[in-house]
Amino acid sequence: QSVLTQPPSVSAAPGQKVSISCSGSSSNIANNFVSWYQQLPGAAPKLLIYENTKRPSGIPGRFSGSKSGTSATLGITGLQTGDEADYYCATWDRSLNAYVFGTGAKVTVL
Amino acid sequence: QLQFQESGPGLVKPSETLSLTCTVSGGPISSTAYYWAWIRQSPGKGLEWIGSIDFGGRSYYSPSLESRVTISVDTSKNQFSLKLTSVTAADTAMYYCARDGFDTSFFDYWGQGTLVTVSS
Repeated sequence: QSVLTQPPSVSAAPGQKVSISCSGSSSNIANNFVSWYQQLPGAAPKLLIYENTKRPSGIPGRFSGSKSGTSATLGITGLQTGDEADYYCATWDRSLNAYVFGTGAKVTVL
Repeated sequence: QLQFQESGPGLVKPSETLSLTCTVSGGPISSTAYYWAWIRQSPGKGLEWIGSIDFGGRSYYSPSLESRVTISVDTSKNQFSLKLTSVTAADTAMYYCARDGFDTSFFDYWGQGTLVTVSS
């Protein structure tokens, strides 16, 4: 059972915006950097956001990250069919002494 | 551009040891800024960090797996390896190697993954 909770699924029409939440605690999100990953069907995860808000080279500006207290959020604007994937948040947990991943959220483009 | 390639047996018998190697190309594994990680994903499930190691052999493991895991590094071959002992069906998973940003908590390069099935 993951200590980072995400909604199982989110959906929106093409061109719309979705937000994916990642809820944690003082031992993880509140005091550590959060990263976000996109996993397309049958593929390895891909880093989308690191250090809460930063995008690696090559990641479109449609993807954004934010953090407040014990929660983090991934936003995707201008939704495209190619964005259909599972999305995971991750951070370090000081109590568990381990990296932890979120439960994962499946994005569906209607 | 860094590339990672996992290799090892795709089938392991229960109670035996799972052994995988990750070969890194496109850059040296002997970077002081990064660690090198193993992460797994059970079929249809989420991601689980197994452990990480730096080029000098300093390692840290998930407490839930620590008693069964050893990660080692071979800088001469630009490789790092995973050993997981006493495997059960619960260890059946896709195993990924990745670069660990350590202090900044991210994994920026990943291998394609290798499926390991535990079955007699």
